[in-house]
Amino acid sequence: EPEVTQTPSHQVTQMGQEVILRCVPISNHLYFYWYRQILGQKVEFLVSFYNNEISEKSEIFDDQFSVERPDGSNFTLKIRSTKLEDSAMYFCASSVEGTSTDTQYFGPGTRLTVL
Amino acid sequence: QQQVKQSPQSLIVQKGGISIINCAYENTAFDYFPWYQQFPGKGPALLIAIRPDVSEKKEGRFTISFNKSAKQFSLHIMDSQPGDSATYFCAASGTGSFGNEKLTFGTGTRLTIIP
Repeated sequence: EPEVTQTPSHQVTQMGQEVILRCVPISNHLYFYWYRQILGQKVEFLVSFYNNEISEKSEIFDDQFSVERPDGSNFTLKIRSTKLEDSAMYFCASSVEGTSTDTQYFGPGTRLTVL
Repeated sequence: QQQVKQSPQSLIVQKGGISIINCAYENTAFDYFPWYQQFPGKGPALLIAIRPDVSEKKEGRFTISFNKSAKQFSLHIMDSQPGDSATYFCAASGTGSFGNEKLTFGTGTRLTIIP
């Protein structure tokens, strides 16, 4: 069964450093998302992406964040200058149609630890 | 208005019992209500979902009950098994103007099934 993959599984970085989290969505999916989950809290939407453009972003997704689809398979989330409060599990998700009733498939996540 | 409220925060049920998790929403634009199951170290995985034009949906031991007038929905797990021990998130999405419809998650319920 096709699945969303994410690398690395765990990333440790120093505050102020740049990190890039990578995702490979399911191959025939056209809509991509990033969510994050701070330890013990709910999953929160960060950004949605379609046709090489951001469709929607939350207030969490400030100027320090960016997303890119550098090639036909990868979808990346970049945090330019990490803060302690960026420590969280980051999930990539993808869907076929992007409608409200379309299933979003989540990857296993990248645990980001900012020291 | 975008929030989805979920209760209880944690739940312990004996094997064979019924597990019930409740959610409530305010935004009447929501038109899709999925439940996600998350095991430790894994991403959320779609368990079952419902649209507001039906009051109940059943898939195996899992049932969603939906009360549109009260803006509430609940997950019932019949004959709960130790393998059902996980964190359960209710979520909602709606047809908006952006195209990629983000999921708004509840705060999660940690379910533990004891023998």
